[in-house]
Amino acid sequence: ELQLVQSGAEVKKPGESLKISCKGSGYSFTSYWIGWVRQMPGKGLEWMGIIYPDHSDTRYSPSFQGQVTISADRSINTAYVQWRSLKASDTAMYYCARLIKPPSPGDHWFDSWGQGTLVTVSS
Amino acid sequence: QSVLTQPPSVSGAPGQTVTISCTGSSSNIGAGYDVHWYRQFPGTAPKLLIYGNTNRPSGVPDRFSGSKSGTSASLAITGLQAEDEADYYCQSYDSSLSGYVFGTGTKVTVL
Repeated sequence: ELQLVQSGAEVKKPGESLKISCKGSGYSFTSYWIGWVRQMPGKGLEWMGIIYPDHSDTRYSPSFQGQVTISADRSINTAYVQWRSLKASDTAMYYCARLIKPPSPGDHWFDSWGQGTLVTVSS
Repeated sequence: QSVLTQPPSVSGAPGQTVTISCTGSSSNIGAGYDVHWYRQFPGTAPKLLIYGNTNRPSGVPDRFSGSKSGTSASLAITGLQAEDEADYYCQSYDSSLSGYVFGTGTKVTVL
């Protein structure tokens, strides 16, 4: 069974660093892009970026470029997103999701999602 | 901010049909990129509902259907049921942003 299992909820102070994870199982993890999506409290979904775990090719949304770092460890089927210095505005639920990427440019969708990791940043 | 606009809310009585619009522009839906739809129940992760404008993943009832025309797309829910109460999001690709974009989201209420 295909699963994306994310790390648990985090409570951090402004200025602290954080790395959350997303472990894939039940499919060939290195053959699919993984995306990260932010959902701030009471708000909609925002695409952050994607990574191809096989060679760590990474693309970022302009809104998140420079704000987060997306990485992957293919040896343990895990993708990550990390912050060097958290802000209160980073408080949100973060989802990872598997991207289905047919050859036609741009016609891609997220077919399976992790359960989400709640990040709370507060002094 | 989202570049795909959806109505904040739609409602209908059980058994009725509701339609959710997703309006984009010439750099996303109007450029020919596919539209996909997700459903999100409170406190849970989004789940794929429609992909490639009109296709339903296995297990999604045929009460859900998608369409696309010009710079807009729509999701229709026929035979509305209480269990359909959720938030619904469209998603596409935007060439000017070189990335994926989600709609603003629509809350469906069953009266």
